[in-house]
Amino acid sequence: NAGVTQTPKFQVLKTGQSMTLQCAQDMNHNSMYWYRQDPGMGLRLIYYSASEGTTDKGEVPNGYNVSRLNKREFSLRLESAAPSQTSVYFCASSERDRGNQPQHFGDGTRLSIL
Amino acid sequence: SQKIEQNSEALNIQEGKTATLTCNYTNYSPAYLQWYRQDPGRGPVFLLLIRENEKEKRKERLKVTFDTTLKQSLFHITASQPADSATYLCALGENTGNQFYFGTGTSLTVIP
Repeated sequence: NAGVTQTPKFQVLKTGQSMTLQCAQDMNHNSMYWYRQDPGMGLRLIYYSASEGTTDKGEVPNGYNVSRLNKREFSLRLESAAPSQTSVYFCASSERDRGNQPQHFGDGTRLSIL
Repeated sequence: SQKIEQNSEALNIQEGKTATLTCNYTNYSPAYLQWYRQDPGRGPVFLLLIRENEKEKRKERLKVTFDTTLKQSLFHITASQPADSATYLCALGENTGNQFYFGTGTSLTVIP
């Protein structure tokens, strides 16, 4: 009963490098989300996918791209990493994309950009 | 500007007492308010949801209130235990759109 699985758990990149953060859920949820969490800022939504085949920008999308590969998987790509993208990234899923739906989170990817 | 504020200081309470955490918001019109628990190095875990037309919701030792006039939610943990020590996040969900807006969280420590 894995829930939401994120890989990798830790990563260190150099400025300008690219990488993809992976997320998979096994709860048959329709909606998936990517957040970043920074000290004193709370969780901020980067991108979300209301359902398979759709993606939309959240509050802080600049510098990121996403792909909803299938119903289970939602990846986040940094094309050219910048130090400002040093953060903890969380993937979440919910049954539907409404405010009355609990979100289920993975345990995060801790990303450092040097 | 839009703002969600939780207790700015960490909260330390004695075991057995009731912990009360606050979530105040400005320039939002939430239809739903959720509370999450986050342990160090882990993702948030959903605890409770309350709707705008509900004044109070309970689950075991947890109680949440939602006052849309005061633009405030209170989260209570009764008979607190050291295992309740964690960071607690509130999140607002609106009727239109499908985004959640999270507060910065309150760190709670229950002292044995």
